[in-house]
Amino acid sequence: DQQVKQNSPSLSVQEGRISILNCDYTNSMFDYFLWYKKYPAEGPTFLISISSIKDKNEDGRFTVFLNKSAKHLSLHIVPSQPGDSAVYFCAASAHSGNTPLVFGKGTRLSVIA
Amino acid sequence: GAGVSQSPSNKVTEKGKDVELRCDPISGHTALYWYRQSLGQGLEFLIYFQGNSAPDKSGLPSDRFSAERTGGSVSTLTIQRTQQEDSAVYLCASSSSPGSGGYTFGSGTRLTVV
Repeated sequence: DQQVKQNSPSLSVQEGRISILNCDYTNSMFDYFLWYKKYPAEGPTFLISISSIKDKNEDGRFTVFLNKSAKHLSLHIVPSQPGDSAVYFCAASAHSGNTPLVFGKGTRLSVIA
Repeated sequence: GAGVSQSPSNKVTEKGKDVELRCDPISGHTALYWYRQSLGQGLEFLIYFQGNSAPDKSGLPSDRFSAERTGGSVSTLTIQRTQQEDSAVYLCASSSSPGSGGYTFGSGTRLTVV
């Protein structure tokens, strides 16, 4: 029973265009959401987060949008760069992060030059 | 240290043998987590240590798995009588406090059971 779902295992985008990675969750207790980026043979690295009291958080080229009623969040990367090619994991937690993060299966993003 | 350190980076073991995986978290981080990533899967939570509290073992898949954290710092994950389905990348992460935001992950230990 997956509580965090990333339904697209892979995504291919041209350099300079927008990448949109999607994530859905089922647990209504989740109130804190994060995105991680993972390169091969490395551990995931934290990218951006959002609390359920917000619907948008922006950090440079990265923006996360949260739609609580739809239990859906998305990560927008614009403009996409070849160095953004990696696996992106969506993660969620209840009680403002005081429970272990629950991760999705990840989406492999390929940015083509 | 500067980051989360895990050892070994790779481990090949025979089915039925015991293995120990080590995690050295960032100094001062009170929370420590173990996850594993099997082929084609997401990160599966295993166990969580927070300060001196009893660990949250709710993610351990069987009683062959155990973990300890000595002195609030280094942690060891032990898998007894390894099975082929235990093959995965085992990732350790630490954070300064629960709810502080992102975890810092180590590079993981790739375990292969043959």
